[in-house]
Amino acid sequence: EDKVVQSPLSLVVHEGDTVTLNCSYEVTNFRSLLWYKQEKKAPTFLFMLTSSGIEKKSGRLSSILDKKELFSILNITATQTGDSAVYLCAVDATSGTYKYIFGTGTRLKVLA
Amino acid sequence: SAVISQKPSRDICQRGTSLTIQCQVDSQVTMMFWYRQQPGQSLTLIATANQGSEATYESGFVIDKFPISRPNLTFSTLTVSNMSPEDSSIYLCSVDGGQDFDEQYFGPGTRLTVT
Repeated sequence: EDKVVQSPLSLVVHEGDTVTLNCSYEVTNFRSLLWYKQEKKAPTFLFMLTSSGIEKKSGRLSSILDKKELFSILNITATQTGDSAVYLCAVDATSGTYKYIFGTGTRLKVLA
Repeated sequence: SAVISQKPSRDICQRGTSLTIQCQVDSQVTMMFWYRQQPGQSLTLIATANQGSEATYESGFVIDKFPISRPNLTFSTLTVSNMSPEDSSIYLCSVDGGQDFDEQYFGPGTRLTVT
């Protein structure tokens, strides 16, 4: 069965810390891996990764994919209280029919 | 990216009643998706809605409980029928990023509480 597992489930850090969030997956047909930030209700798109070893960056956030070991990490440097959210990892495993699999998320809380 | 709106943003309903959630997109999209997020859990796909065809439901979800309409390329509705407290969730609609993009964009969500 296809699955996406995120760790840790929750994390509490202080402003200025660097955090690494993990996402591992097992799917039959891998197309891409996506990271979302969810505050309140709706997830907002962060990154889409399709190729191994190519880092994607946006400000203090960066992410990389390892298709051999079947995982991805999301790094946040110099964390701020505004980074507090649930970070969701999803894998597009579409093959004929649409199939997105979401992990349970990592709940990050950044303390001032 | 698409701009998506949902109505209502939240509602409190009595068991046994039904609620229809609307999803409006500011551009024409082929595929629209409905997700449920129960408290403390991740997103679970309910169904995929393509314009002009019947919605495709995921395992564990049936049309009688979650009827979906997709009358055009910018609009869809999801009805939660004969509600029970277990239906208390956030319901999200999403669209794909278009032909060249795999990312999905989500609406603001509808927080449903069933008492």
